[in-house]
Amino acid sequence: GAGVSQSPSNKVTEKGKDVELRCDPISGHTALYWYRQSLGQGLEFLIYFQGNSAPDKSGLPSDRFSAERTGGSVSTLTIQRTQQEDSAVYLCASSLARESYEQYFGPGTRLTVT
Amino acid sequence: QKEVEQNSGPLSVPEGAIASLNCTYSDRVSQSFFWYRQYSGKSPELIMSIYSNGDKEDGRFTAQLNKASQYVSLLIRDSQPSDSATYLCAVNVGGYNKLIFGAGTRLAVHP
Repeated sequence: GAGVSQSPSNKVTEKGKDVELRCDPISGHTALYWYRQSLGQGLEFLIYFQGNSAPDKSGLPSDRFSAERTGGSVSTLTIQRTQQEDSAVYLCASSLARESYEQYFGPGTRLTVT
Repeated sequence: QKEVEQNSGPLSVPEGAIASLNCTYSDRVSQSFFWYRQYSGKSPELIMSIYSNGDKEDGRFTAQLNKASQYVSLLIRDSQPSDSATYLCAVNVGGYNKLIFGAGTRLAVHP
């Protein structure tokens, strides 16, 4: 079946601009996660959605970052007034939360802020 | 202390040997443990999950879990050059779905 998809695959933006990153989880997966991976670094948790529950936003690095999930499926991560330190690969993952914690990742969006 | 710790490597092994990757974690209530493989420039790929103490085998991969020691490992038998990648250990935190990832161990299998 189809895996997690993300768009765009690459995004180059100027400092100060807003960007939106999209994630389409595996069909039927109720949990959706966003991570950030800077060059040569590990995965940094950003935000977690589970069904209709309030999201766990504990990993968002600043109030410039926000995310929403519409209809329990597609999610958008928005970064306002981008800074150069926001440059990273943004990864989305989904899981069948109630049956396992196994998370499956999308291909990621590489964000470069110039 | 980091929540999930791994040696950064690189761990270099000859083709055909056993590669042993180790991970320790700090949250005693963690119940789910995962190994992901990440090739350079690619996203992480789930290769093993383990939930109970002991060993779990899948093909050339064996995951080992010791909750008393807060230790999980991954053995790769008959290592191949195609196994060369970074291996990420992930642990669920506090009984919730959120996973904490280690920084990864880079494995290099040389012919």
